[in-house]
Parts: sequence; C-alpha cells; structure tokens
Amino acid sequence: DVKVTQSSRYLVKRTGEKVFLECVQDMDHENMFWYRQDPGLGLRLIYFSYDVKMKEKGDIPEGYSVSREKKERFSLILESASTNQTSMYLCASSSTSGRYMGTEAFFGQGTRLTVV
Amino acid sequence: DQQVKQNSPSLSVQEGRISILNCDYTNSMFDYFLWYKKYPAEGPTFLISISSIKDKNEDGRFTVFLNKSAKHLSLHIVPSQPGDSAVYFCAASARVNTGNQFYFGTGTSLTVIP
Repeated sequence: DVKVTQSSRYLVKRTGEKVFLECVQDMDHENMFWYRQDPGLGLRLIYFSYDVKMKEKGDIPEGYSVSREKKERFSLILESASTNQTSMYLCASSSTSGRYMGTEAFFGQGTRLTVV
Repeated sequence: DQQVKQNSPSLSVQEGRISILNCDYTNSMFDYFLWYKKYPAEGPTFLISISSIKDKNEDGRFTVFLNKSAKHLSLHIVPSQPGDSAVYFCAASARVNTGNQFYFGTGTSLTVIP
C-alpha cells in the first residue's frame, strides 16, 4: 500500500513563527505536491516537485516555500505564519512513469494548521 | 482561472437512491479524470478514474461517465448509502514538463439521508 505520511495532524502556531510541515512517501514517486483546502475553494496547489531539488510554483505560492532534498520527503515552509494561512494542508505524491502515470495522486492524512 | 469546476456545492439524497455528482472542465489536454472522496479531518481518498479515451468506467456502486464534446463528467453512486456522505472532489490530470499535475474542483458535499 502506498503511504504518504504528514508529520502532524493538528498544529497551532503563533503569527510570525516559521512553520515546517513535513511529508514523506514510501512509493519512490517522483511527483510530490502541497495543497491547501479551504471551504468553498477546494484544493489549491501551493507548490509541486517533479524531482529531487526541483520545485515549481503552483497557484498560491505567496508566503510559502518548499524543500525537496530527498526523493521521499517534501517539506512546506511558512516563512512567517499569518492568520490567513490557517487551513488544512494536504501533501500528495504520484508516479511520473509507467502505466500509473497521471492516473492517481495519493494523499496524506492532512495537517490542520491554526495560526493565532 | 478554474480549469475544473463543480457547480453544486452540496447534494442531498435518500438512502438507496442514485447520487449524481457533476463536474465540468475547460482543458481538452487532460489525460485522466478522477474522483476523490474526503471525510472531515482526513486526506482525500481515491475513488475511481477514467481515461480521456473512454466514456464510462464502472467499479461496484460507482460509475463515472465522460462526455468529451461537452467537457463534462459525472459520478453516479447506486445505491447511495449513509457512509457515502462526504465531500467529493473531481480532478483532472495533465502532463506538465516531465511529470503530471492534478487540477481539482471545489468539491460537492454529499449527504445521504437514512
């Protein structure tokens, strides 16, 4: 079974703090993604990565950065947390090769981040 | 601009009846279309997908229909069960550079009434 694990289920941080959200997948997937989910807005892509040390901006990258030093790990960084970054954060991975390419993204359990 | 749209934020259905969730898209280059189910405080789980070269895919109680000319897909759940109550996201996949990217709709909250 594919497993995508996010380091925390719930997190409460203060405004201005630097926040790290970690994601690890065990399927040797090339693609990894960070989304945030907000009511009425669906899943919005923050950043994605096709390979180690490679990153691309998604639709809403402002206020975020990412790091992918190893293939299995993709970290999302909130440089200076703000209250409008209170959200559910979802990490996902997918294969970029073979018969399953593009057919499914596997999600972690999500991190509910509250910034106070 | 939203490339995948779900225009119905919510849907209520009686247990045992059919649930039909709809989705529209704008990009004719999408390779696959997927449906995900999401419970509160959990990550989305994959439900069913369909290749852009097909018009129907069935898996148990779930069937996805694709109408490429209308750029429309739908998910049918028959019969609906209370455990199906969740938010359903439509998604589409496209090749981007050397990988693939997934575009999601805004979700439809399905309530199945016992």
